[in-house]
Amino acid sequence: SQQGEEDPQALSIQEGENATMNCSYKTSINNLQWYRQNSGRGLVHLILIRSNEREKHSGRLRVTLDTSKKSSSLLITASRAADTASYFCATEPSGGYQKVTFGTGTKLQVIP
Amino acid sequence: NAGVTQTPKFQVLKTGQSMTLQCAQDMNHNSMYWYRQDPGMGLRLIYYSASEGTTDKGEVPNGYNVSRLNKREFSLRLESAAPSQTSVYFCASSDGWLRGYTFGSGTRLTVV
Repeated sequence: SQQGEEDPQALSIQEGENATMNCSYKTSINNLQWYRQNSGRGLVHLILIRSNEREKHSGRLRVTLDTSKKSSSLLITASRAADTASYFCATEPSGGYQKVTFGTGTKLQVIP
Repeated sequence: NAGVTQTPKFQVLKTGQSMTLQCAQDMNHNSMYWYRQDPGMGLRLIYYSASEGTTDKGEVPNGYNVSRLNKREFSLRLESAAPSQTSVYFCASSDGWLRGYTFGSGTRLTVV
């Protein structure tokens, strides 16, 4: 079964706008990561947030984590056409290294 | 370039045929993984190897076998392919969860 569920499933925005994607999960986690997948390619690691962190930044990416609600969000600011891709959250359950599970993804389209 | 290399990139099999998907990494990572990706299902873990000489089942191991040949190589074998194994297969490696996974570019397998 999938640990993470992304919302929305698909998102279409204009270049320059911000894109927000959400991830909900079911059990306690050690860490949560976000990955990007361009069409027909492998996944690329974007950012990691530990369970004791609430917010993290990397360039135009901002990730938040709310362990009480078992949810995370990924914000991409000032989006570019090159950001068009699918975005996945991945979680490591507590006590479960090697059992990382991925969500079903959000498909983002950035229109030039 | 350093990374994870998967071969072949594409394969068509007839039901009942066997084949081995190859994966090699040159980053000296301890852990390696095989995932399959199906539309609407996200990535599901088939098998993983925490270190050279060890392998463990993931979420969907039925119909597959793996071999961790050495630290660099982790192969996935389909002994008797079935149409339900039509999917995109990704190999990944890591050297600690906090560093994230590095993915190969995938093998697109069709079983007819």
